[in-house]
Amino acid sequence: KAGVTQTPRYLIKTRGQQVTLSCSPISGHRSVSWYQQTPGQGLQFLFEYFSETQRNKGNFPGRFSGRQFSNSRSEMNVSTLELGDSALYLCASSPGAVNTGELFFGEGSRLTVL
Amino acid sequence: AQSVTQLGSHVSVSEGALVLLRCNYSSSVPPYLFWYVQYPNQGLQLLLKYTSAATLVKGINGFEAEFKKSETSFHLTKPSAHMSDAAEYFCAVSPNTGTASKLTFGTGTRLQVTL
Repeated sequence: KAGVTQTPRYLIKTRGQQVTLSCSPISGHRSVSWYQQTPGQGLQFLFEYFSETQRNKGNFPGRFSGRQFSNSRSEMNVSTLELGDSALYLCASSPGAVNTGELFFGEGSRLTVL
Repeated sequence: AQSVTQLGSHVSVSEGALVLLRCNYSSSVPPYLFWYVQYPNQGLQLLLKYTSAATLVKGINGFEAEFKKSETSFHLTKPSAHMSDAAEYFCAVSPNTGTASKLTFGTGTRLQVTL
């Protein structure tokens, strides 16, 4: 069974631009969560989607948004990029119907904002 | 609110020595607790999880952790370190109710294994 796939793996943007990151979950998984990882703040929860609906949301500004499609693939978007948005963005999937807390992570998309 | 605290951002052990990574949790309800490992330039991989069954939990790669409610701890151990264990380890907590799979992570402990 294929794992969680994130694209692109690396990208460089400049301040003020926007970026879209993509995540394909493990086949059959209906929940997709996004986390931001930085050296200063560590791993922080962004949001979770289940069956195309946002089920949970972290404490990030409205510039961070996401969505999930009917095939469970998910995208997250960051608008008006700031230097502090430079981070590794991790996507994780789980079956989703019952909370086991066990997440399956992708390798991440490393965003650098110049 | 739930949280975890990992004591020691860096731990160095010799190959073959005991590995002990510390994690204390704070939760108003019985939590689910996890240890995840992150190798360089990779995502996180689940090592083991506690979900209110046995207090001693065995995971992959020879790791285990013991849930101690009286000490609010969930320390990770391995009897004999191997070079391949060098990585960053994260303790995490999740509510054991509802359907949301939100994890709150600790700040991580980087394990170095020396010859």
